[in-house]
Amino acid sequence: DAKTTQPPSMDCAEGRAANLPCNHSTISGNEYVYWYRQIHSQGPQYIIHGLKNNETNEMASLIITEDRKSSTLILPHATLRDTAVYYCMLSGAGSYQLTFGKGTKLSVIP
Amino acid sequence: EAGVAQSPRYKIIEKRQSVAFWCNPISGHATLYWYQQILGQGPKLLIQFQNNGVVDDSQLPKDRFSAERLKGVDSTLKIQPAKLEDSAVYLCASSLVSGRTGELFFGEGSRLTVL
Repeated sequence: DAKTTQPPSMDCAEGRAANLPCNHSTISGNEYVYWYRQIHSQGPQYIIHGLKNNETNEMASLIITEDRKSSTLILPHATLRDTAVYYCMLSGAGSYQLTFGKGTKLSVIP
Repeated sequence: EAGVAQSPRYKIIEKRQSVAFWCNPISGHATLYWYQQILGQGPKLLIQFQNNGVVDDSQLPKDRFSAERLKGVDSTLKIQPAKLEDSAVYLCASSLVSGRTGELFFGEGSRLTVL
């Protein structure tokens, strides 16, 4: 069973920030938070990951709460191409094994 | 850099027939994964290889599914005999053993329809 909880769907206006929440209240001390997305008919694509500090890359920002029980993926300026299913997952350091849940279906609206 | 290659992209068979899927990971990636994705669900791990050894096959239905990774590079996933519930997309992914990010790179998948 997936160890994370995400809303099944969200809408976001094009050009606005998309904030995707994830709850992981049973996270262990050595588990990383990973985010992937899957655009229709493609394989999942890595977005970002973090342990306890906030992270930013060219695609997104990851905000992890101080108690590490939840996190938020931020797409700063959503485009139509960001329409996808977004998966939040936990993985132990070095195990690289990901358990996918159902994710959040993000729809970016023109 | 070439990505993860999978073939065939689409396959339609009748139940009780057999099918095989092929995966060529990114060069230098020691770890290879096969996932099954049923429509409307997230991918489910079937088997994980490191080089040519199996790390985890706990969710592989071994009565009908088999996978091998000879020489630690390419891999094949076989289903024999197929059932209706095996209709899904079969995704192959690879990663470096000690990659900085632990990032998995996925192929586009092989879509199986069992009639």
